[in-house]
Amino acid sequence: EAQVTQNPRYLITVTGKKLTVTCSQNMNHEYMSWYRQDPGLGLRQIYYSMNVEVTDKGDVPEGYKVSRKEKRNFPLILESPSPNQTSLYFCASKPGVATFREKLFFGSGTQLSVL
Amino acid sequence: SQELEQSPQSLIVQEGKNLTINCTSSKTLYGLYWYKQKYGEGLIFLMMLQKGGEEKSHEKITAKLDEKKQQSSLHITASQPSHAGIYLCGADKKAAGNKLTFGGGTRVLVKP
Repeated sequence: EAQVTQNPRYLITVTGKKLTVTCSQNMNHEYMSWYRQDPGLGLRQIYYSMNVEVTDKGDVPEGYKVSRKEKRNFPLILESPSPNQTSLYFCASKPGVATFREKLFFGSGTQLSVL
Repeated sequence: SQELEQSPQSLIVQEGKNLTINCTSSKTLYGLYWYKQKYGEGLIFLMMLQKGGEEKSHEKITAKLDEKKQQSSLHITASQPSHAGIYLCGADKKAAGNKLTFGGGTRVLVKP
């Protein structure tokens, strides 16, 4: 089944403790992206990647890192989490960045709480 | 303020009634997407609109994009409990399609 898989689904951590949220897609998509969702603010893009070893900042990249060593994986890294990073995170992918429009496929989300 | 404004932020509708959600931008949109999110879950793609004046329908949901490509509406006819959730509009900020921005979402509750 074609899907975007995020892990973990729920995560509670403490301030300053490094964590990684994994994202994997099995559709051979070139483009992957991370979003965070906060009440009233909708989805805001954190980072995106147009292909292996190609990443770029979205609208709210501060406090996050990403890497794209393989096409299928796009982990989100919080080196030193803070309470303001408590949020619902979504990973998404799409076939490529082309001149025609393509829909994003979303993972089920990771609810992160930083105490 | 957000680049995409959705209204209303939330609404409660009686089962069987129609509802409309609006999505407005101050800039021309290169592509307009509608997604539905069930509470606490991922986003499900509904429809995509590209051309000014375009209209698409799927089952009881109709989406339109105005001629100027700055405003879109999502209309649900004869709502059902299965229509409950959060509806989000998203749009490509650039022609390249690598930066998709979203509105704040509209929470829909359907009363039986």
